[in-house]
Amino acid sequence: DAGVTQSPTHLIKTRGQQVTLRCSPKSGHDTVSWYQQALGQGPQFIFQYYEEEERQRGNFPDRFSGHQFPNYSSELNVNALLLGDSALYLCASSLSELTRELFFGEGSRLTVL
Amino acid sequence: AQSVAQPEDQVNVAEGNPLTVKCTYSVSGNPYLFWYVQYPNRGLQFLLKYITGDNLVKGSYGFEAEFNKSQTSFHLKKPSALVSDSALYFCAVRDMNNNDMRFGAGTRLTVKP
Repeated sequence: DAGVTQSPTHLIKTRGQQVTLRCSPKSGHDTVSWYQQALGQGPQFIFQYYEEEERQRGNFPDRFSGHQFPNYSSELNVNALLLGDSALYLCASSLSELTRELFFGEGSRLTVL
Repeated sequence: AQSVAQPEDQVNVAEGNPLTVKCTYSVSGNPYLFWYVQYPNRGLQFLLKYITGDNLVKGSYGFEAEFNKSQTSFHLKKPSALVSDSALYFCAVRDMNNNDMRFGAGTRLTVKP
């Protein structure tokens, strides 16, 4: 049983560009959350998707957007990249109940030059 | 708003000694509390959670944690540390009304032989 898979694992972009990160959830999971982890910090919640809708959003600008597909996979899009967007982007899947733990992928490390 | 504090950036213990990694939380209602571990360049792995019931919860790799409502704490413990326990540990909290799982800044545990 494959866990959460993310792609790409590493990427380098320049300021002003756009990036799309992809996530396939653990089998059986219907909920996908995205987190940003800057170096030396804890993960920060970006948003969560359930039933192809954004269910909750953290304190991130509209440059960050997402999508969930009918097969529960998800994408994170970031427009107009800034140097400060450089971070490890983590996708986590779970069942929808609040008591459920998150299962994380290995992350996509984005470097913005 | 929910929040988590991990007061120690770093904890150092000798192999075979007991370890404690501290966590305090703040939520508006009943908390759902979680511990995760992160190895270098990897995603987070779930260790254990407290939802309700017995204040002492047991998890993976011999770890346990004690929920203390009066002190709003959820400290992670292990009776006998291993060198392989060296990693970054994150405490996280949700309340009953939030899909956002809020993480602490992390505590780096180093176990020396």
